[in-house]
Amino acid sequence: GQQLNQSPQSMFIQEGEDVSMNCTSSSIFNTWLWYKQEPGEGPVLLIALYKAGELTSNGRLTAQFGITRKDSFLNISASIPSDVGIYFCAGHLADGNNRKLIWGLGTSLAVNP
Amino acid sequence: NAGVMQNPRHLVRRRGQEARLRCSPMKGHSHVYWYRQLPEEGLKFMVYLQKENIIDESGMPKERFSAEFPKEGPSILRIQQVVRGDSAAYFCASSPPGLAPLMGEKLFFGSGTQLSVL
Repeated sequence: GQQLNQSPQSMFIQEGEDVSMNCTSSSIFNTWLWYKQEPGEGPVLLIALYKAGELTSNGRLTAQFGITRKDSFLNISASIPSDVGIYFCAGHLADGNNRKLIWGLGTSLAVNP
Repeated sequence: NAGVMQNPRHLVRRRGQEARLRCSPMKGHSHVYWYRQLPEEGLKFMVYLQKENIIDESGMPKERFSAEFPKEGPSILRIQQVVRGDSAAYFCASSPPGLAPLMGEKLFFGSGTQLSVL
């Protein structure tokens, strides 16, 4: 069953605004990964997190691995139209198969120029 | 350096036909993963293969689905006697050899094959 809760499900924002989305679980994760998927394409890795408390940036994107290892957030600052897409969190359960990524259902982002 | 190549991009089949989806990993990558994505859902792991070996097929339906990654040529995901419920986007991902696959990092995805079953 679904083990990752990703929110919000969708966002519609104005260009220039900051965006925040998160993933939570009742289970402990060893890694958190954030991907972006554009229409008709496969997901592209944005940020990978490996340690509890880790805070990592990639340009305007910042993500953190929660201290409890049960959550992660992704922030996008000063959004631009090309940020449009679906953002997925994914991770590996601490007591699971490290080859098998567990995926959230995605946050659909729309940016109004 | 070409990325992960999947073909066809779109595949239409009638119920009962066979679907064959191909995936050529990135150059130098020896690990291939197949995922299925239904509309408005995340990706569901299906199978993990190395050359000539199925390493983990715990996400594969027990019947009608099979996968291979031969010594030469692309990885193939085969669906026999397709049903409407098989309609989905099927993504292939590859990763380089070594420990990386065990951490699940550095997966590079193809553009997917959209399978439509009529």
